[in-house]
Amino acid sequence: SQQGEEDPQALSIQEGENATMNCSYKTSINNLQWYRQNSGRGLVHLILIRSNEREKHSGRLRVTLDTSKKSSSLLITASRAADTASYFCATWANSGYALNFGKGTSLLVTP
Amino acid sequence: DVKVTQSLRYLVKRTGEKVFLECVQDMDHENMFWYRQDPGLGLRLIYFSYDVKMKEKGDIPEGYSVSREKKERFSLILESASTNQTSMYLCASRSGGSYGYTFGSGTRLTVV
Repeated sequence: SQQGEEDPQALSIQEGENATMNCSYKTSINNLQWYRQNSGRGLVHLILIRSNEREKHSGRLRVTLDTSKKSSSLLITASRAADTASYFCATWANSGYALNFGKGTSLLVTP
Repeated sequence: DVKVTQSLRYLVKRTGEKVFLECVQDMDHENMFWYRQDPGLGLRLIYFSYDVKMKEKGDIPEGYSVSREKKERFSLILESASTNQTSMYLCASRSGGSYGYTFGSGTRLTVV
């Protein structure tokens, strides 16, 4: 069962612009993670934000979390063509062992 | 560099054939997972294992089985492949003490 849903489904921007992706989830969480997937490859873990954190930074990535709205956003600043990928949010399933992933946002960054 | 290896990138099988997809990790991780990824459906959990010889059904286990005889290896088995099992299969592992997954590169299976 999928917990998170990303929005928008697809996003197209030019290099240098910022890209913002949103994730909404349904139940309470301890943490939320973001992953990137380059075309035809596996997913790569980007960043984790805990439920008691509101914002977290890692390089050009900024993640926010609003537990009252059950939503998170991923901001990529000064986008590059190499950022072209799909981005997924993930939260823990009820089992506590496995992650549920959203359907992802497909980001295209054009030169 | 830590790795999850899915040695087959592409695989084509005929309907009814038995299919083995292998996943090997070199990080001594306790937990391993199999997902399938389909356009418009995202990633769906098939099976996972939290220890050697242990397995748990995920959201879509029908038509699949798994084997984990050694800690580093988690195999996904399609007993009798069907065309609706054409998909990208992703293996992942996780240490019990951490939250993030490490994924393999995936195997794109086509059943004809």
